Amino acid sequence: DAKTTQPNSMESNEEEPVHLPCNHSTISGTDYIHWYRQLPSQGPEYVIHGLTSNVNNRMASLAIAEDRKSSTLILHRATLRDAAVYYCILHMNYGGSQGNLIFGKGTKLSVKP
Amino acid sequence: DAGVTQSPTHLIKTRGQQVTLRCSPKSGHDTVSWYQQALGQGPQFIFQYYEEEERQRGNFPDRFSGHQFPNYSSELNVNALLLGDSALYLCASSPLLGQGMTQYFGPGTRLLVL
Repeated sequence: DAKTTQPNSMESNEEEPVHLPCNHSTISGTDYIHWYRQLPSQGPEYVIHGLTSNVNNRMASLAIAEDRKSSTLILHRATLRDAAVYYCILHMNYGGSQGNLIFGKGTKLSVKP
Repeated sequence: DAGVTQSPTHLIKTRGQQVTLRCSPKSGHDTVSWYQQALGQGPQFIFQYYEEEERQRGNFPDRFSGHQFPNYSSELNVNALLLGDSALYLCASSPLLGQGMTQYFGPGTRLLVL
């Protein structure tokens, strides 16, 4: 799986939007962009994923650049419970089967009240 | 619907000992993956089991072995423990084919090797 680059840490104020960037300049055409987050003392939790088009779900939005070399996870209104490490992962779908996830160090998001 | 469960939650062992960690996947999932997470690092893939066989393996020595049972639950065994094996061990489950690419993680087992 290709490598991703994320800032080590970011800060946000509660109830404000947060944009978490991820660079993946070596992405291939079959790589999906996944975001997971890990709250303190918990296992990672799936947030969202996409291939080419922007995606929205109840947790977040994923904006994917036209050339797919970067993406941004958007939390529309950060809450204190969103404080976590956010991982951007490129995941190749092996003909429909699950490959493993290759995690980097992620971005540690702090949310101030 | 129970999610992924792991046992025990915490474990303390000494160097040279052997340890077995257990995982029950989310209902309806047939694939189990194991990850090791050292302090301050992202999880590292150990191996993945499907149909009771190891399908993929990361860069971990043979001291790390696993097993999957007919009910899809899984065990991770680590022999000849080293201090560097101290970590959070995470289990993740997923459906193998075409039903989605999300992996669901358990809370992990924190292993301390003294």
